[in-house]
Amino acid sequence: DQQVKQNSPSLSVQEGRISILNCDYTNSMFDYFLWYKKYPAEGPTFLISISSIKDKNEDGRFTVFLNKSAKHLSLHIVPSQPGDSAVYFCAALNYGGATNKLIFGTGTLLAVQP
Amino acid sequence: EPEVTQTPSHQVTQMGQEVILRCVPISNHLYFYWYRQILGQKVEFLVSFYNNEISEKSEIFDDQFSVERPDGSNFTLKIRSTKLEDSAMYFCASSEVDRGDEQFFGPGTRLTVL
Repeated sequence: DQQVKQNSPSLSVQEGRISILNCDYTNSMFDYFLWYKKYPAEGPTFLISISSIKDKNEDGRFTVFLNKSAKHLSLHIVPSQPGDSAVYFCAALNYGGATNKLIFGTGTLLAVQP
Repeated sequence: EPEVTQTPSHQVTQMGQEVILRCVPISNHLYFYWYRQILGQKVEFLVSFYNNEISEKSEIFDDQFSVERPDGSNFTLKIRSTKLEDSAMYFCASSEVDRGDEQFFGPGTRLTVL
């Protein structure tokens, strides 16, 4: 049941360039989307989120874009830094359904080359 | 900075044995969760817990699983009779409020069932 999909298992980017991580979802009931970052031997750490009433949310170097008609969201990291190298998970919630169950994608391993 | 802690970091057990995974949520948090990640797959929701009872559980969380808050600080996940397919990374999370983006994750317990 792949309600949230991250089709790129890995991405390699040069330091200073833009990293774009993509995520697609199938469930139109999702109304809140989140990105988590995970380093080895650590749990996922919340990075940035976006409500379905918005199409963009920005926090420093991180921007999330939401295209509801395409059921697609993306995370942009500008400029990318070596410390950004980690696995990035997209997750979705159905807040309107009164649930806190996060539905995760399979993750994208980002490698930022110095 | 307060954090969620989990013990042990790695648990090896024989098939059919009972295991208890332990978590200490952040002290003022009221909502508790367990997720798991089978190697190479996505992070999956297992159960959420609030006010000393399960508030939501997934289809994975069958009769072999149980959760408990035995005292004011610990939150445990028990697997009664482990199966090979229970081998996974188990993450505990907690949140102060009823919001998905406020879930703080622990570092995880790697469970290996032989």
